[in-house]
Amino acid sequence: SQQGEEDPQALSIQEGENATMNCSYKTSINNLQWYRQNSGRGLVHLILIRSNEREKHSGRLRVTLDTSKKSSSLLITASRAADTASYFCATDRGASGSRLTFGEGTQLTVNP
Amino acid sequence: GAVVSQHPSWVICKSGTSVKIECRSLDFQATTMFWYRQFPKQSLMLMATSNEGSKATYEQGVEKDKFLINHASLTLSTLTVTSAHPEDSSFYICSARPWTSGKEETQYFGPGTRLLVL
Repeated sequence: SQQGEEDPQALSIQEGENATMNCSYKTSINNLQWYRQNSGRGLVHLILIRSNEREKHSGRLRVTLDTSKKSSSLLITASRAADTASYFCATDRGASGSRLTFGEGTQLTVNP
Repeated sequence: GAVVSQHPSWVICKSGTSVKIECRSLDFQATTMFWYRQFPKQSLMLMATSNEGSKATYEQGVEKDKFLINHASLTLSTLTVTSAHPEDSSFYICSARPWTSGKEETQYFGPGTRLLVL
C-alpha cells in the first residue's frame, strides 16, 4: 500500500481562494516532497521539506511538516485556474537508494 | 536545467511484442534513475531503481524478466516491456536524480510514455 495518504482526494475551489491539501505517512522520513502533475503529463517538483524543518515557502506555496503526527500540508494561496492539476506528496526515507513513495494524490480544480 | 526526456511519448503495439522506452537526463549526470508506472487516476508506483553500471533493483511484485532495465550510461536508462499484454497498458514515467556534492534529494521526472497494448 502507498506510504502516503492524501486528503481530500478532490478539491474544487474558485479562483483567488486558497487550497489546502494534506498528506499523512507511516514511517520515519528524511524529507517529504510535493509534486504537481497536469493531466497525462510528467511530474513537476514543487518543494522539498526536510525532516528537521517545520515550514517552508516558495512563492504562493506554503508547506508544513509535523513529524510527530507524520503529516504535511500544502497550501496554495490566491489560486489560479492554471493551478488545476493533481498534487502528490512523496516521502523519502533516506535509506540507500532514497526511493520516493507517493501518496494517492489530490485532484485540484480551480474554477475561473 | 535538470531536464529529463522520454522517448517515445506514446506507443501502440500488438500483444506479444516488446517495447523499449528511453529515459535521458539532458543536462546532468544521473547515477540513479527510477521507473514508475501510473494507471489512470491513480498514484505513481515505483517499479524499479536503475543504477548505472549495475543491475536494477526491482520492487516486490515487479517481474524483472518482463520489465528489462538497462542503465548503460550516466545519462540513459531504458525500460523494455517484453511480450507486452493489454494489462501492461499504462503510463510509464522515469525520473533521474542528480548527484551534486554528494547530496541526493530532488528527483526530476520525464514527461512519461503512454503505452497501449492491443
